[in-house]
Amino acid sequence: AQTVTQSQPEMSVQEAETVTLSCTYDTSESNYYLFWYKQPPSRQMILVIRQEAYKQQNATENRFSVNFQKAAKSFSLKISDSQLGDTAMYFCAFMRGRDDKIIFGKGTRLHILP
Amino acid sequence: EAEVAQSPRYKITEKSQAVAFWCDPISGHATLYWYRQILGQGPELLVQFQDESVVDDSQLPKDRFSAERLKGVDSTLKIQPAELGDSAMYLCASSLEAREKLFFGSGTQLSVL
Repeated sequence: AQTVTQSQPEMSVQEAETVTLSCTYDTSESNYYLFWYKQPPSRQMILVIRQEAYKQQNATENRFSVNFQKAAKSFSLKISDSQLGDTAMYFCAFMRGRDDKIIFGKGTRLHILP
Repeated sequence: EAEVAQSPRYKITEKSQAVAFWCDPISGHATLYWYRQILGQGPELLVQFQDESVVDDSQLPKDRFSAERLKGVDSTLKIQPAELGDSAMYLCASSLEAREKLFFGSGTQLSVL
């Protein structure tokens, strides 16, 4: 069975700083995808970034980038120049390629301080 | 941008009553997911549909929960009877091709008294 572990329940950083959220996963699958989702206080889930496991290049989306270490089964999210609007719960998610089943980690609550 | 519609937005019910949630995915999306999210935790998959077929319902408490997607479009999740521990946010998500992106609805917040 697949598992997703987010070891940081809560983090706080000053506005404009860089912050890294950790995620590790466990799987025996070879075909899979990884995601980071953001859930602000409104509780609307928003996709931040996705990574295809077969791609070695780390995904980036503006201020958001990942450090994908396949051998270590690690998928961390880096937020550069953090903004107050980045305050949210962040969930790491694993999708199994053969049937699109997605499981989520327990989340990291991120506070951006003014 | 098209959205996943869910209703009701909030539901308060008493223990042992029946409740039902409705989800209308984005048009053309074949894959539909129902998740349960307890406050402060990650979403837990309850059931996954591919068109009208159930792909995965291994985490669905089948003694009280049921889900259907009869025509492969909208879907209903039912709980009967509701228990106190069912209080949570119920999220619906859909995708055209799941490996690209899941689109989430705003959820139904259920409170069981």
